[in-house]
Amino acid sequence: DAKTTQPPSMDCAEGRAANLPCNHSTISGNEYVYWYRQIHSQGPQYIIHGLKNNETNEMASLIITEDRKSSTLILPHATLRDTAVYYCIVRPFVGTYKYIFGTGTRLKVLA
Amino acid sequence: DAGVIQSPRHEVTEMGQEVTLRCKPISGHDYLFWYRQTMMRGLELLIYFNNNVPIDDSGMPEDRFSAKMPNASFSTLKIQPSEPRDSAVYFCASSLGTARLREQYFGPGTRLTVT
Repeated sequence: DAKTTQPPSMDCAEGRAANLPCNHSTISGNEYVYWYRQIHSQGPQYIIHGLKNNETNEMASLIITEDRKSSTLILPHATLRDTAVYYCIVRPFVGTYKYIFGTGTRLKVLA
Repeated sequence: DAGVIQSPRHEVTEMGQEVTLRCKPISGHDYLFWYRQTMMRGLELLIYFNNNVPIDDSGMPEDRFSAKMPNASFSTLKIQPSEPRDSAVYFCASSLGTARLREQYFGPGTRLTVT
C-alpha cells in the first residue's frame, strides 16, 4: 500500500503558484520523499526529492515539515503545461528500488 | 539520448493470443522496471531487474505474465494467454543505480487492448 495521502484534485490559475500537499505520517528516518508527475498519456517524470531540508530545482520547490510527516510541492508559476497528475512517493534511499505509486493529485491549471 | 524506447506503442489483440511488449532502456542504466497502469488500480510495479537479473517479481499478477532481460539493452514482457482484464498501459522504466538521485526514467508506454 502507498504510504502517502494526497488530495485527488486541485485547480490553479495560470501564472499563480500551485501548492500540492502530501501526507506521509508514517515515514521512516531513512525514507526520502520523491515527486513525479504524469502528463496525459505519457510516462511519469521525475520532479524533485528530499529528505528533511527544503529543496529547489528548475522545476519546483519541495517543502518538508520539521517532523517530516508532510510535504508540499510548489510550482512557482504554473502554466497550462503543468496540468498533470502529481505523485508523492516515499522510499528508502538505499535498499529497495521499488516505487509504490498512490492515486496522486490531478492538477488542472486554468487559463 | 533517445530515452527509454517501448514497442509497440499500441497493441490490439484477441483474448487467448500471446502478446509481447518490448523495452530498450537508456544506455548504461542497470535497473529496469515494468509497470502496469489501469484506471481501477493505478500504476503498479510488476517486476524489476538489476544487471539483467530479476530482483522482485512480486507484482506479476499471475503465471500468464513473464518477463525476461536477455541483455542490458533489451527486455520483454509476455502475456500468454491474454485476457480482456489485461487491457492497460504498460510502462517500462530504467534507472542508474549509482546515480545520486536514482530517479527512474519512464518510456512512453504500450497501450494494450485485449478484446
